[in-house]
Amino acid sequence: GQSLEQPSEVTAVEGAIVQINCTYQTSGFYGLSWYQQHDGGAPTFLSYNALDGLEETGRFSSFLSRSDSYGYLLLQELQMKDSASYFCAANTNAGKSTFGDGTTLTVKP
Amino acid sequence: DTAVSQTPKYLVTQMGNDKSIKCEQNLGHDTMYWYKQDSKKFLKIMFSYNNKELIINETVPNRFSPKSPDKAHLNLHINSLELGDSAVYFCASSQSRGGEQYFGPGTRLTVT
Repeated sequence: GQSLEQPSEVTAVEGAIVQINCTYQTSGFYGLSWYQQHDGGAPTFLSYNALDGLEETGRFSSFLSRSDSYGYLLLQELQMKDSASYFCAANTNAGKSTFGDGTTLTVKP
Repeated sequence: DTAVSQTPKYLVTQMGNDKSIKCEQNLGHDTMYWYKQDSKKFLKIMFSYNNKELIINETVPNRFSPKSPDKAHLNLHINSLELGDSAVYFCASSQSRGGEQYFGPGTRLTVT
């Protein structure tokens, strides 16, 4: 089976750093993706980890530990526009993506 | 030059009707998907096609039937619509199976 856990809500202030954790139980795990979705919009791809370690893309970084079945998304220098839902998604070698239930990030001034 | 497009954007219909949603991608990707996002924003995969071949078929009522006439198009036909089918349906595509996915703008289906 496939299951992912991530916090339902996170609140932070502008300029801060926030970490959104994701643990997974996935048969045939291949990699972990992260997506951002603003209200009324479509999910947009942020980052992907197939190997252990940190991937950095501007203010966003993503980390994966396959041995711990754990990953996180790190958002630095938070801006108001970062308020959105963030989904982790476990990809399998069969090509299936299972999404977590999403984390609603609220950035306050 | 939209990457992944869906039509219609909004669909309001009555219970028992049959409707279709169309999806097209111009990225040259091999894999396409249909997702359902309910009112709680849970995003669930429904189907996945790779080069017009069905590779993933989740536990979805057989009232839902996908069709891929070519690898750039994936349509979703829904028979005998029910209230519980109300949701936003997203089409997506990726170059490889399960890789970085590009989502269409979504189709908000409301069944009354």
